[in-house]
Amino acid sequence: EVQLVESGGGLVQPGGSLRLSCAASGFTFSSYWMSWVRQAPGKGLEWVADIKQDGSEKNHVDSVKGRFTISRDNAKKSLYLQMNSLRAEDTAVYYCARDNIVVVVDDGIDYMDVWGKGTTVIVSS
Amino acid sequence: DIQMAQSPSSLSASVGDRVTITCRASQSIGRYLNWYQQKPGKAPNLLIYAASNSPSGLPSRFSGRGSGTDFTLTITSLQPDDSATYYCQQSYGPPQTFGQGTKVEIK
Repeated sequence: EVQLVESGGGLVQPGGSLRLSCAASGFTFSSYWMSWVRQAPGKGLEWVADIKQDGSEKNHVDSVKGRFTISRDNAKKSLYLQMNSLRAEDTAVYYCARDNIVVVVDDGIDYMDVWGKGTTVIVSS
Repeated sequence: DIQMAQSPSSLSASVGDRVTITCRASQSIGRYLNWYQQKPGKAPNLLIYAASNSPSGLPSRFSGRGSGTDFTLTITSLQPDDSATYYCQQSYGPPQTFGQGTKVEIK
C-alpha cells in the first residue's frame, strides 16, 4: 500500500525549532519530487516547500525562506522539514505529499497524488 | 506569485443537482491546474489533475475543464458523500498556490 506517515509535530514556544519527518512506503521514494503543505486552523491549504528526487533542487514559499528547510534521505525513504524561528502563524497541520507528473503535449504537469494524514504544529507560549 | 481565485466560496445544493466551481488564475498557467477534495479532519484527496484528468477510481460525476486562466470543476449529480471543501491548485509555480476553497454543503 502506498503510504506517507508524518511525525514530529507538537507544541513549541515562539522562536523554537521542530523537525518534521515523513516516512514513505509502498512506492519508489527516490523517483518522486516530494512536498510539504500546511493548513492553519480553519484556513485553506498552503504549499510550503518541495524537493527534487536527488535533493539537488529545493523550493520554499517566501514566508518560510531562511527559517524552514526541506530535505530527504532516500536510503531511509524519508522526507524532512526543519523548522526554526517558529512563529505563531506557523501553527498548522503539516502534510507531506508525493508529487507525481503527467506529460501533456510538451508539458510535464505536477500534481500531488498521495498525502499523509498530517502532523500538528502549535506555536504558543 | 500566481494568485488563484475560486468562486463561489460556498454553496448549498440538493442531491442530484449539477454543481460547478470555477477557478481563475492571475496569469496563464496552461493546464497546470489540479483539484482536491478535503473533508473535515482529513487530508486532501486528488480529484482532477492537469485540468481534466481523473485518477483511476474517481466517480465519473466529477469532471474538470479549462486551460490558460479559467477552469471549472463540475459535479454532475451531487451525492451526500460530496459534502466537502474543494480546492484548485496551480503547479506552474513555484510557488505552487491554492485557491481559497469552496465549501459544498448538501441541502
